[in-house]
Amino acid sequence: GENVEQHPSTLSVQEGDSAVIKCTYSDSASNYFPWYKQELGKRPQLIIDIRSNVGEKKDQRIAVTLNKTAKHFSLHITETQPEDSAVYFCAATFYNNNDMRFGAGTRLTVKP
Amino acid sequence: SQTIHQWPATLVQPVGSPLSLECTVEGTSNPNLYWYRQAAGRGLQLLFYSVGIGQISSEVPQNLSASRPQDRQFILSSKKLLLSDSGFYLCAWSVRDITDTQYFGPGTRLTVL
Repeated sequence: GENVEQHPSTLSVQEGDSAVIKCTYSDSASNYFPWYKQELGKRPQLIIDIRSNVGEKKDQRIAVTLNKTAKHFSLHITETQPEDSAVYFCAATFYNNNDMRFGAGTRLTVKP
Repeated sequence: SQTIHQWPATLVQPVGSPLSLECTVEGTSNPNLYWYRQAAGRGLQLLFYSVGIGQISSEVPQNLSASRPQDRQFILSSKKLLLSDSGFYLCAWSVRDITDTQYFGPGTRLTVL
């Protein structure tokens, strides 16, 4: 089963509103947390990532926050636009298995 | 710059037929390579990863196998496809290890009938 839980599975917002997607992980040794955006029929594309020595990272309208104590991290998208509509995946490294595990994805719909 | 290729882009195969999907990376040496499967509307499932030529680690026991005959070539195979093998197969590469960003190829959409 997945060791990264992602919520919500679907999210619908009005254009201009903010969107927040949350993920939790189980391996306390995890230290790398990327976020990917996947448009329909396309490959996942990295949009932002964060490492465990940083609590927050921003890139224009996108930000990611990390709470190592609680073992959760979140993606924040501000001033959403219709082109932000896609499926977003979080991921975390898992040292017990020497691999990276992905969340189940969040389908974000931005209504114009 | 680095580029990752996958082929074919789409494939329709009957149950019980063999499979061979290919992935190649350009512009980098000794990459880590990964095969993922994504079922319709689902997340990414890691199938295999490789840290070097001939070195393959399997994450999920199944009727699929992987090989890395060259530094920048990764092949996913099956001797007999099952209906449950249908999905979107993605190859990815990273510079070093799991703490490094993975970049995905364009994918192969496989339909087993």
